[in-house]
Amino acid sequence: DAKTTQPPSMDCAEGRAANLPCNHSTISGNEYVYWYRQIHSQGPQYIIHGLKNNETNEMASLIITEDRKSSTLILPHATLRDTAVYYCIVRANNYGQNFVFGPGTRLSVLP
Amino acid sequence: GAVVSQHPSWVICKSGTSVKIECRSLDFQATTMFWYRQFPKQSLMLMATSNEGSKATYEQGVEKDKFLINHASLTLSTLTVTSAHPEDSSFYICSAPDTMGGNTIYFGEGSWLTVV
Repeated sequence: DAKTTQPPSMDCAEGRAANLPCNHSTISGNEYVYWYRQIHSQGPQYIIHGLKNNETNEMASLIITEDRKSSTLILPHATLRDTAVYYCIVRANNYGQNFVFGPGTRLSVLP
Repeated sequence: GAVVSQHPSWVICKSGTSVKIECRSLDFQATTMFWYRQFPKQSLMLMATSNEGSKATYEQGVEKDKFLINHASLTLSTLTVTSAHPEDSSFYICSAPDTMGGNTIYFGEGSWLTVV
């Protein structure tokens, strides 16, 4: 079973920040938080990952709480093309360790 | 990021025939690859772990004789759906960890299989 819980759906206005929450209260010390998204009929796309520090790249920012029991993915200026299912996954960063997907959050960016 | 490519993107086959789906890591080597299946409006479900040079490891409930996996090289894994039935129609996705990229896992574009 997935070790994360996410809201099933969210809406966001185009141009505004999209903040997607994720709870992972049973995360282990060696497990990273990964975020992927899946646009309809495509394979999942890597967004960002982190262990305990906040991370930022060209796509998004990842804010991890100090106790690491939850995190938030931030898309700073959402566009219509960001409409997708977003998956939050915890995984030990060991080669050969696979992902367990939950249902994710379906983000709809509205014009 | 690293690139994983699948072929074909979509395929239609007749019941009882077999179909092969290829998964390639284009710019890195992968001794392990993962195969997932996704039905409409559902999340990805892991089917099996493909290991270069050894047998694949199948998840509970996945028939190894029906879903044949061959990890032929460090950049290629294949999934063959044998004696396909309409209920095998699904979106099949492969992935591979990039060891040079901190073991982040990258996914292929997916392959749509329709069995008629």
